Amino acid sequence: DTEVTQTPKHLVMGMTNKKSLKCEQHMGHRAMYWYKQKAKKPPELMFVYSYEKLSINESVPSRFSPECPNSSLLNLHLHALQPEDSALYLCASSPPTGDATLNTEAFFGQGTRLTVV
Amino acid sequence: GENVEQHPSTLSVQEGDSAVIKCTYSDSASNYFPWYKQELGKRPQLIIDIRSNVGEKKDQRIAVTLNKTAKHFSLHITETQPEDSAVYFCAAGFNKFYFGSGTKLNVKP
Repeated sequence: DTEVTQTPKHLVMGMTNKKSLKCEQHMGHRAMYWYKQKAKKPPELMFVYSYEKLSINESVPSRFSPECPNSSLLNLHLHALQPEDSALYLCASSPPTGDATLNTEAFFGQGTRLTVV
Repeated sequence: GENVEQHPSTLSVQEGDSAVIKCTYSDSASNYFPWYKQELGKRPQLIIDIRSNVGEKKDQRIAVTLNKTAKHFSLHITETQPEDSAVYFCAAGFNKFYFGSGTKLNVKP
C-alpha cells in the first residue's frame, strides 16, 4: 500500500458544527502532517507529528485540534470554524530518516475539500 | 522561519522547449529542497528533490540545481510535453519545509 488516504473527500459544515477529518497510511511512515491549501496558493503547514507525538504546531487556532491515535492514523478535529477556514486540507506522511530530521519526501493524500457555511 | 520565493508565477512554453523555474530561500540552515507538481484538483506529487550536500541532480527530463552560497535553486524541464502542464512548487527547510508560491506552467502543443 503506497497511498495516503483521506476521508471524507468533501465536507460542508456549519460554523457551530463539530467534524473530523481522517488520514490513514500503511507505509510505515512515522511522520505525519496536516497542510491547508487555499485556491491558487501553496500548501501551508499546520501540524507535524513525529512518532505519534506533536512536534510542530504552526500557531494554528485552537478550533483545529489534531490527534494521532497510532502510527497509521491522523485526525483533525474541527469545531466552531469560520467561512475563511474553507480550503483543501491535505494530509501527508514521510518515512523515518534515521536521524531527528523530517527532511525526506512527503507523500500527500488527495485532500478533503472543506466548505464552512 | 524560512521564506521561499518562487519565480515566475506563470510560464508558457512551446512543446519541446525547456522550462526553468527559480526559487530563493532565506534560512541558511535549510538543507532539503523538494519540488512538487500539482495538477488541477489533485494532490502535490514529488518530482525531484535535492539535499544541501549535492549541487545538481538529474532524473530524465528533469534536473535541479542548488547554489547554497547564493541560497537559490532551480528546476529545469527539457523537451517539455503538454502533460507537464501543472503548478510546480519548490520548497525548502530543515526539519520541516515551506513551499514557494507556485509556478503555473502551460505547455502549448
